[in-house]
Amino acid sequence: LAKTTQPISMDSYEGQEVNITCSHNNIATNDYITWYQQFPSQGPRFIIQGYKTKVTNEVASLFIPADRKSSTLSLPRVSLSDTAVYYCLVGDRWGGANNLFFGTGTRLTVIP
Amino acid sequence: DSGVTQTPKHLITATGQRVTLRCSPRSGDLSVYWYQQSLDQGLQFLIQYYNGEERAKGNILERFSAQQFPDLHSELNLSSLELGDSALYFCASSVDSGGGGGTQYFGPGTRLTVL
Repeated sequence: LAKTTQPISMDSYEGQEVNITCSHNNIATNDYITWYQQFPSQGPRFIIQGYKTKVTNEVASLFIPADRKSSTLSLPRVSLSDTAVYYCLVGDRWGGANNLFFGTGTRLTVIP
Repeated sequence: DSGVTQTPKHLITATGQRVTLRCSPRSGDLSVYWYQQSLDQGLQFLIQYYNGEERAKGNILERFSAQQFPDLHSELNLSSLELGDSALYFCASSVDSGGGGGTQYFGPGTRLTVL
């Protein structure tokens, strides 16, 4: 599995758009990119997954450039309840979880 | 509610003891993953089972072991417990085996305190 690098923390004001970038230089052809959100003392929650270009759902967008060596999670108009840790994960869907790496994620703090 | 259940929710025990954590995956999911999260730390992947067989190993100590039963529920056994084993233990499940590429659904966790 490709190892990922994310900023340790970010601050944003309420109502702003937040973009969190994840680097995954060693991403393999069969790898997908998945983002999770975790609140304190809770298990992570799936946000969005993509393979290339752009994916959008009701809570976020995921932008993946052509070389796929990075990805950007975009949260539109954040609120205080979006304060959480965000993890980027890269891997294929059937190869097993060897070297599964969540890292420490990005701690997003939304300021009123 | 992710559909993944974990018991017990809290567990307090003493050093040197052995405990068993239980996880029931979402209906239809074949993969079960176990994670350890210490205070203010990231998630450490411990081990994965897929359809009853061990599929991948992470940073799991030799004092820890796991298994997945025919009904697909899983148990994580922690023995000779040390103070440093105090942590949140999460179980996750997915329909596929990829871990990083699949969509994992996490349970609420078991908080283990070793005194």
